[in-house]
Amino acid sequence: AQKVTQAQTEISVVEKEDVTLDCVYETRDTTYYLFWYKQPPSGELVFLIRRNSFDEQNEISGRYSWNFQKSTSSFNFTITASQVVDSAVYFCALSEALDDYKLSFGAGTTVTVRA
Amino acid sequence: DAMVIQNPRYQVTQFGKPVTLSCSQTLNHNVMYWYQQKSSQAPKLLFHYYDKDFNNEADTPDNFQSRRPNTSFCFLDIRSPGLGDAAMYLCATSREDRGLNEQFFGPGTRLTVL
Repeated sequence: AQKVTQAQTEISVVEKEDVTLDCVYETRDTTYYLFWYKQPPSGELVFLIRRNSFDEQNEISGRYSWNFQKSTSSFNFTITASQVVDSAVYFCALSEALDDYKLSFGAGTTVTVRA
Repeated sequence: DAMVIQNPRYQVTQFGKPVTLSCSQTLNHNVMYWYQQKSSQAPKLLFHYYDKDFNNEADTPDNFQSRRPNTSFCFLDIRSPGLGDAAMYLCATSREDRGLNEQFFGPGTRLTVL
């Protein structure tokens, strides 16, 4: 069964628009970790954020913000005032206590920001 | 800068010809991982080392092997590459194999099998 679902395959926006990437996860563990990674065309996966299951505080880092809602098992990611450099594939991932070394990735969402 | 380095960035091999991909890290992390990422798909974990302990994923084909001669280096050996093994291979490291430790990825090696 898919543990992480990213329903949006591709999103295309014009520069300065906001874009929200959805991530829904599934786990029976009470302790787990959620991650977002960015993969630009160069190929390297870049770590963006980690959130543990006991911390539901939303987080903002510059133009990036994350909304974690355990009630809906979602960990959504918003890019505010998007820029061309934000064009990349974004992966949401889950790490569970029972297999806590293993990252289960979603299928990824390709974001294209047009000038 | 501390980092994860993968060589080569692009590798071309022939069907059935053994190939080795290398990864090195200056982060002094205990754990090193190898992922396979096929086009437009998520990375798939093949195996990982915690220090010298090797941990294979249940669905990793026997065709894939790994070596970690020391903390800094880890190799991925594909004994008899098939056309289906063409992919991006990503190396990653983390301090510990606990979920709270984020993984740091290298730039990947794109393997082409002719």
